[in-house]
Amino acid sequence: NAGVTQTPKFRILKIGQSMTLQCAQDMNHNYMYWYRQDPGMGLKLIYYSVGAGITDKGEVPNGYNVSRSTTEDFPLRLELAAPSQTSVYFCASSYPQGVGAGELFFGEGSRLTVL
Amino acid sequence: AQSVTQLDSHVSVSEGTPVLLRCNYSSSYSPSLFWYVQHPNKGLQLLLKYTSAATLVKGINGFEAEFKKSETSFHLTKPSAHMSDAAEYFCVVSASAGNTGKLIFGQGTTLQVKP
Repeated sequence: NAGVTQTPKFRILKIGQSMTLQCAQDMNHNYMYWYRQDPGMGLKLIYYSVGAGITDKGEVPNGYNVSRSTTEDFPLRLELAAPSQTSVYFCASSYPQGVGAGELFFGEGSRLTVL
Repeated sequence: AQSVTQLDSHVSVSEGTPVLLRCNYSSSYSPSLFWYVQHPNKGLQLLLKYTSAATLVKGINGFEAEFKKSETSFHLTKPSAHMSDAAEYFCVVSASAGNTGKLIFGQGTTLQVKP
């Protein structure tokens, strides 16, 4: 099984450009998440979804949008990229019971630089 | 509000010596606690989790952690470090009661293992 697959792995954007980070999982997990990781800051939750058609904001949602049209896919959209969005982005998924019962499965990350 | 504090940003040990990575938590309810490991340029992987069962939790690769409510601590230990243990380690607490799947990450501890 592929698990959680993120694309692209690396991307450089200019200020004001837009892009979509793709995330797909093949484990039939209902719960999916987007985190960003900045040096010395741990991971911060951007958005999460508990199932197709349902999304909600995390700690740091400003400047991002998500959609969840299928169980497998959870793309993250950056509109009008800013240098503050330079980060490593991780997508994750978990079993229907949520984190209390299961564990999060992470992709290998997407490193984004905004210049 | 839930929070975790990792007391050391960097720990250095010699191969074959014990490992201790310290974590304190704050929670307004009985928490779920986790340790995740991140090897360079990789996603995060669950080491172990505590969900109100046994207070001494055993994880993968010989790691274990003890939940101490009186001290609000969840320190990670391993009797003998191996070179492959060199990585970033994150202490994590569930963000809310129930199965929302939201996590709060500590800032991380970098473990260096010297030959």
